[in-house]
Amino acid sequence: GAGVSQSPRYKVAKRGQDVALRCDPISGHVSLFWYQQALGQGPEFLTYFQNEAQLDKSGLPSDRFFAERPEGSVSTLKIQRTQQEDSAVYLCASSLTRVMSGTNEKLFFGSGTQLSVL
Amino acid sequence: AQSVAQPEDQVNVAEGNPLTVKCTYSVSGNPYLFWYVQYPNRGLQFLLKYITGDNLVKGSYGFEAEFNKSQTSFHLKKPSALVSDSALYFCAVRDITDDYKLSFGAGTTVTVRA
Repeated sequence: GAGVSQSPRYKVAKRGQDVALRCDPISGHVSLFWYQQALGQGPEFLTYFQNEAQLDKSGLPSDRFFAERPEGSVSTLKIQRTQQEDSAVYLCASSLTRVMSGTNEKLFFGSGTQLSVL
Repeated sequence: AQSVAQPEDQVNVAEGNPLTVKCTYSVSGNPYLFWYVQYPNRGLQFLLKYITGDNLVKGSYGFEAEFNKSQTSFHLKKPSALVSDSALYFCAVRDITDDYKLSFGAGTTVTVRA
């Protein structure tokens, strides 16, 4: 069955390069999240979309990070002028519902993109 | 503010023995609590959640978790562990007044030896 798909699986960038990470959520899922997972740590919230609207970007570490979901399906996380501290696994998750009510709340995660900045 | 602590980086048990993975949380209001599991090269998978009601929650693959409000804990348990349960386990919390933002613990690596 189709799950959340992320590409590329691995990305190596030289410091200062721009990168774009793609997330294909489960079809019909309204909510989409990006998380950053540093080595040995749990996922940390980056941003949240409800359809095409970015409702929360409070977790983005700096203005070098930008996310979009223009048609309410595929999302792209872009990092400009990458730095070594950006090295992490970037996880995308989607959820069927618009409202996280608890009752139907369940996130479906992709396998992540492992970004290494040299 | 909300946070989760998983006090053990690693848990090692023999197959057939009981498995417990500890989690404590902190929220300003009431919590929604979750357990996710991550197998190598796979995304996090939902195991179970506590929303309200019974303090003992049953989930996938024979796992269960007990919500203890007085101890602010939500420990994950399995009566008889399998080698295939070896994975990385994450506890997560959301304050019910926060619409969607989950806070995850650092994770506990479970190794079940044959």
